[in-house]
Amino acid sequence: EAGVAQSPRYKIIEKRQSVAFWCNPISGHATLYWYQQILGQGPKLLIQFQNNGVVDDSQLPKDRFSAERLKGVDSTLKIQPAKLEDSAVYLCASSSSGTGNTEAFFGQGTRLTVV
Amino acid sequence: GEDVEQSLFLSVREGDSSVINCTYTDSSSTYLYWYKQEPGAGLQLLTYIFSNMDMKQDQRLTVLLNKKDKHLSLRIADTQTGDSAIYFCAEQYSNYQLIWGAGTKLIIKP
Repeated sequence: EAGVAQSPRYKIIEKRQSVAFWCNPISGHATLYWYQQILGQGPKLLIQFQNNGVVDDSQLPKDRFSAERLKGVDSTLKIQPAKLEDSAVYLCASSSSGTGNTEAFFGQGTRLTVV
Repeated sequence: GEDVEQSLFLSVREGDSSVINCTYTDSSSTYLYWYKQEPGAGLQLLTYIFSNMDMKQDQRLTVLLNKKDKHLSLRIADTQTGDSAIYFCAEQYSNYQLIWGAGTKLIIKP
């Protein structure tokens, strides 16, 4: 079974530039998450999709961050304009929906450095 | 609000047992998870426990849950160099949202 794919693996941009990250979840997984992981911290949920609808985006800085999941499969996360404090690893995860525990499968992440 | 706390580092000798601790504040969590993150790799689910259980054992891993004290622990028996990683505790609410700790870095001494 193919895992969660993310690209690019690394990105370096200057502050005020724009950047986009792409995620392809595991086939058939209805739930997709974007997390921000700052060095030395646990992941922080930015947005959670159920199919192509947003379940939770309460911690997404909507003045600069946007995310979409067209057709309920792939997703993109965009930052425009980037700030120095956006330097982090951006993790995408997916899980199947249903009752009980929901194991989230993570991609390797995109490491963003804003200079 | 919700909060999950872990100590930042744990150092053990190879072959000894490692015990990684986690405390949480919200008693309405349904499942509690332990994830492992190796350098340059994504997060990998190690094990989980349902909130109405006290203990779960899975090969070298033992999870203990004390609901009264809101305390979760992960014991790794016979710790090996391959166990070097950051271990994250996470709790799941009924809406499937996960709240994460900051992670405990496990350091193995030869």
